[in-house]
Amino acid sequence: QKEVEQNSGPLSVPEGAIASLNCTYSDRGSQSFFWYRQYSGKSPELIMFIYSNGDKEDGRFTAQLNKASQYVSLLIRDSQPSDSATYLCAVKAAGNKLTFGGGTRVLVKP
Amino acid sequence: EAGVAQSPRYKIIEKRQSVAFWCNPISGHATLYWYQQILGQGPKLLIQFQNNGVVDDSQLPKDRFSAERLKGVDSTLKIQPAKLEDSAVYLCASSLWGRTVAKNIQYFGAGTRLSVL
Repeated sequence: QKEVEQNSGPLSVPEGAIASLNCTYSDRGSQSFFWYRQYSGKSPELIMFIYSNGDKEDGRFTAQLNKASQYVSLLIRDSQPSDSATYLCAVKAAGNKLTFGGGTRVLVKP
Repeated sequence: EAGVAQSPRYKIIEKRQSVAFWCNPISGHATLYWYQQILGQGPKLLIQFQNNGVVDDSQLPKDRFSAERLKGVDSTLKIQPAKLEDSAVYLCASSLWGRTVAKNIQYFGAGTRLSVL
């Protein structure tokens, strides 16, 4: 069983729509959760992190965390073609070790 | 502020050869990480340094991979001998160290793309 699971996609959304990405994790001791964006051939860049149950908003991005159900999600509102990338969910346990999911590829179509 | 620097950007070698990658973290970052990212997968942690000490190397194939971080700044990752399955992007990341989540955010370098033929 993978520790951090994501649907590989591609998730195809029309421009201006909401993209919804999900991530589940197996370690109940996980403390904080990160969403990274990775353009093809580029390195991951942090979008946002969350560590408390509930929602956290940053611009067009909203992260949602439900520790009881062991899932974290990312919503991208008003999706733009520039949002087309792979989105990596990463989960931190003790010691600042990040475990990454396989990523979800998002395609925003004009 | 300068980001994480890595070199080379690309490397092509034949199997059984050796290769080395270099990383210079963001100034002041105590923690340095090496990840392996195989095409279509998420990054996998190989080794984590805190200053010049190893914190976690549980997923480092120690029979062929080695890493060091002399003086707690730059780091090198070496593969000897390389295998076909080592073809991947090798990412270096660095972070501060502290009690808050923000202080432990990892920032990635551009990576080294290794092709083993």
